[in-house]
This record gives sequence, structure tokens and C-alpha cells, in this order.
Amino acid sequence: GAVVSQHPSWVICKSGTSVKIECRSLDFQATTMFWYRQFPKQSLMLMATSNEGSKATYEQGVEKDKFLINHASLTLSTLTVTSAHPEDSSFYICSARVRGLTYEQYFGPGTRLTVT
Amino acid sequence: AQSVSQHNHHVILSEAASLELGCNYSYGGTVNLFWYVQYPGQHLQLLLKYFSGDPLVKGIKGFEAEFIKSKFSFNLRKPSVQWSDTAEYFCAVRSGNTGKLIFGQGTTLQVKP
Repeated sequence: GAVVSQHPSWVICKSGTSVKIECRSLDFQATTMFWYRQFPKQSLMLMATSNEGSKATYEQGVEKDKFLINHASLTLSTLTVTSAHPEDSSFYICSARVRGLTYEQYFGPGTRLTVT
Repeated sequence: AQSVSQHNHHVILSEAASLELGCNYSYGGTVNLFWYVQYPGQHLQLLLKYFSGDPLVKGIKGFEAEFIKSKFSFNLRKPSVQWSDTAEYFCAVRSGNTGKLIFGQGTTLQVKP
């Protein structure tokens, strides 16, 4: 089946620094990738939709200048948390939609970000 | 705006008990419906999905769900749970317009051996 990977799986950074998280579709091409945020014991909140070669579409309330998303190829999207603060600590999950199949979406294992 | 509501936040069952997790959504148009499972320390996996056709959908690991359009519901069921079903379960809805998945709050299922 389709596999989505994320790197790193966990990261600890200091307040004020930036962190980049990668999301890769390993065995398929993904024209669209989604970034979610999950707080402990809570649901997934969609942050943004990323389409290859174009600007990401952010959900209401998500700061696009803080959460930079780049989708440079059909297999890679990156999320950069800029000037991270402790309140950005969370679990970030990406998913990828299979090119040509509108409805199939596969999730990555997530990245645990802790900002100290 | 679309929303998804899961009625049970934390369910505790003994092995072999039957399971039903409620899911209601608010959206008047065409929707695709999903149930995902997240085992401890693992990523989200698709249990089953409904696009059209037979409203009773069968998924993996013995799970099934029934789409009742008039009630805007998509409840998840399993006749006999196992200890290995202990996990977080998420109902999700995708509207035909946006293609975005909207998740419910999740239900933690704990199965006691």
C-alpha cells in the first residue's frame, strides 16, 4: 500500500528557533498533501492544504508566516515552524492524496515537536 | 461550517463485548465518510469508508459502519471486540466541494482482557 513518511519523528528545539518537518510519499505521487496538528487526547486539526507547485491554502486561524509550507515536488512537502514557542509544541501529521485517485489519502506517522 | 461529532469520548469494554461508536456530521451536500484508527504509538490507519451505494460498509478487522443519511450518522460497530482493538478511533467527513477531511474529537477505546 501507499506509504507516507515523516522526518524527523520527534524533535526538541529551543524557543525562537525554526524547525523543518518533511513529509514524503514513498511509493506514489501526491499532488496534494495536508498538514494537521494534534494535541494530546484531541482530534486532528487541519492546518493547511498543500498543492504541488503552488502556494498552500491555510485554514482560518493558522498563521501562514509562522507555519511555512513548501510542496516543491510530487513526493515532498515541508512544514517549517518559524520562531517556535512552547505553545507550538504538538504532534504534526501530514497526509498525502494519491495522484489520480481523488479520495485516497494516506497519513504519515507524525512528528512530535517539543519547544523548550 | 462542517462539523463532526463523536458522542463517546472514552469507552471501556471487556473482550467479546459488542461495540458501537457514534458519529454525526453536519453538512447538507454530498459527503464521503471515514473511520480511522490510531493504535498507541502508531499512525492513522483507514478502517473503512463510504462513498456511495450500500450504506452498510464493511472494513478491516471485523469493523463495519452504517450510513444513515436521514440521521446524518455513520456509526462504527464491531460484534465482538478484542484486547488488540484498544486504540483511538476517529470519524471523518469529506465534502465533495473542498476535498478536506474534517475529523471528530476521537473516541478512546479500552478493551480489558
